[in-house]
Amino acid sequence: EIVLTQSPGTLSLSPGERATLSCRASQSLSSSNLAWYQHKRGQAPRLLVYGASNKATGIPDRFTGSGSGTDFTLTISRLEPEDFAVYYCLQSGSSPYSFGQGTKLEI
Amino acid sequence: EVQLVESGGGLVQPGGSLRLSCAASGFTFSAYAMRWIRQAPGKGLEWVSAISDSGSSTYYADSVKGRFTISRDNSKNTLYLQLNSLRAEDTAVYYCARVYWGTYRYLDYWGQGTLVTVSS
Repeated sequence: EIVLTQSPGTLSLSPGERATLSCRASQSLSSSNLAWYQHKRGQAPRLLVYGASNKATGIPDRFTGSGSGTDFTLTISRLEPEDFAVYYCLQSGSSPYSFGQGTKLEI
Repeated sequence: EVQLVESGGGLVQPGGSLRLSCAASGFTFSAYAMRWIRQAPGKGLEWVSAISDSGSSTYYADSVKGRFTISRDNSKNTLYLQLNSLRAEDTAVYYCARVYWGTYRYLDYWGQGTLVTVSS
């Protein structure tokens, strides 16, 4: 089973700042099967990035995914108030699928 | 517009049962594999169960194997999760999600979730 470890657990920043979120896999995985989600309380998780670096439809340009092998990164270039949420990475290349434990982005 | 709407959650005693439903619309349901994912209070997302597009293949997390059963009715565009022998640790919001399976593989649409509370 592939274990995904996200860091940091909590990231405290202000609007306008840059956020860098990390997702590290316990073994190398295909970039095609790494995705990032934004989750706000009471809402469905929202797909941000798939295939490690491809933005989903309607996702603002300030969100950028990168990485390969075991190290993946989600960067939010200039934080907007609506970006404060919990972010998860997901690997879907190896059963069982697995999520990282999440990074809480707080003001 | 793709929509996934879960229902069937509620309060149940330990050892009890529930059946969750996920009504799909806006796409050809029978062409997509589906997943159930849950989030316990204060915890992260946890994959629970998976089913192929035809329903012929199913998979379970070790934590629910032997207690939960995933199924689907493609004629009704509905995904199900039967929850038996429920435990306090099964308390969570349960989400259904669609699998995009092509050059890339990921969960592209999710429902809003249904809350299951296991308590006496």
